[in-house]
Amino acid sequence: EDQVTQSPEALRLQEGESSSLNCSYTVSGLRGLFWYRQDPGKGPEFLFTLYSAGEEKEKERLKATLTKKESFLHITAPKPEDSATYLCAVQMNSGGYQKVTFGTGTKLQVIP
Amino acid sequence: ETGVTQSPTHLIKTRGQQVTLRCSSQSGHNTVSWYQQALGQGPQFIFQYYREEENGRGNFPPRFSGLQFPNYSSELNVNALELDDSALYLCASRRTYQETQYFGPGTRLLVL
Repeated sequence: EDQVTQSPEALRLQEGESSSLNCSYTVSGLRGLFWYRQDPGKGPEFLFTLYSAGEEKEKERLKATLTKKESFLHITAPKPEDSATYLCAVQMNSGGYQKVTFGTGTKLQVIP
Repeated sequence: ETGVTQSPTHLIKTRGQQVTLRCSSQSGHNTVSWYQQALGQGPQFIFQYYREEENGRGNFPPRFSGLQFPNYSSELNVNALELDDSALYLCASRRTYQETQYFGPGTRLLVL
């Protein structure tokens, strides 16, 4: 069964304290892995798409990496405005369409 | 470029009623997906529409139905509402041959 697991469920960091969020997956036929940021009560905001093992992408203080079984979202010197829930999702072929499965997210709180 | 928009932003219904949620896809995006997100959970895939036809469906009962119009906008209809249908309903759009999808702000549905 296709599965996406994110850890930790919640993370509290001091401003400037770097850390990593993990997304492990077991799917067949991965087409892409996505990271989104979601603020309370709002829709997910797209961050990155990764397609193959070894790929890396960066945006400001965020860097996403991908291996064959997991992805990491590295946050360097976070600021309070980085506080949000970070969602990981994987896309795979399923019965003629591209199925997307989300993890339950990591809730990040950055304290000044 | 106009992003994904959804209406209404909030809705309160009673058990047994029917509801229609609306979504306008991002300009140039012809594939639309709907998701249900319960509090503290990741989005769960409901179904996907392409060329006005449903071409993928998650584990949701038939009382969840949808439409896509020639301008690629979409509706999600839910009949016989249950208390567990209370959630944030998200619409996402993408171009057919691209993996990355972009989300709207969501509609918060409360069923009493």
